[in-house]
Amino acid sequence: EAGVAQSPRYKIIEKRQSVAFWCNPISGHATLYWYQQILGQGPKLLIQFQNNGVVDDSQLPKDRFSAERLKGVDSTLKIQPAKLEDSAVYLCASSSIISGTGTSYNEQFFGPGTRLTVL
Amino acid sequence: LAKTTQPISMDSYEGQEVNITCSHNNIATNDYITWYQQFPSQGPRFIIQGYKTKVTNEVASLFIPADRKSSTLSLPRVSLSDTAVYYCLVAYNQGGKLIFGQGTELSVKP
Repeated sequence: EAGVAQSPRYKIIEKRQSVAFWCNPISGHATLYWYQQILGQGPKLLIQFQNNGVVDDSQLPKDRFSAERLKGVDSTLKIQPAKLEDSAVYLCASSSIISGTGTSYNEQFFGPGTRLTVL
Repeated sequence: LAKTTQPISMDSYEGQEVNITCSHNNIATNDYITWYQQFPSQGPRFIIQGYKTKVTNEVASLFIPADRKSSTLSLPRVSLSDTAVYYCLVAYNQGGKLIFGQGTELSVKP
């Protein structure tokens, strides 16, 4: 089974430039996540999609970050304009929702990430 | 405010059992706890998941006490290849929040 694919793996840009990251989740996974992982920290959820609808984007800096998942499969995360503090690894993950005992939980499968450096 | 807290680092030797604890406040009875392993330049990889008492799989055990204010990942007989960063993740059903801890860097020595 193919894993979560992300591209590019590395990107270096100057501040105020724009950048876009692409993610292809595992086939059949309805839920897709974008995380930001700053060096030495745990991943921080930016946005969560269920099919092509947004479940949670409360930590997405909407003045500069945007994300879409138009057909409920691939997703793109964009930053415009970039700031120095956006330097981080951007992780994409996907999962199938599993329900049991009235609750649900997600085993997430992560891609390798895109390392962004803003100069 | 939901928050998860882990020790920053731990050292161990090959063959020992390692226990990594994660503290999580305001966790409800049906909120799930998941542990992930991350190697440099890779995405996190699932280890184990549960929401009460004890769960065991082929690589680890997860202990969750009755008060649910913490959980412990237990790795039996670690090897050098277990050197990695370990993260706990709490899935808060109320509000649908996913909160990762800051990670515990485990170093296994010969």
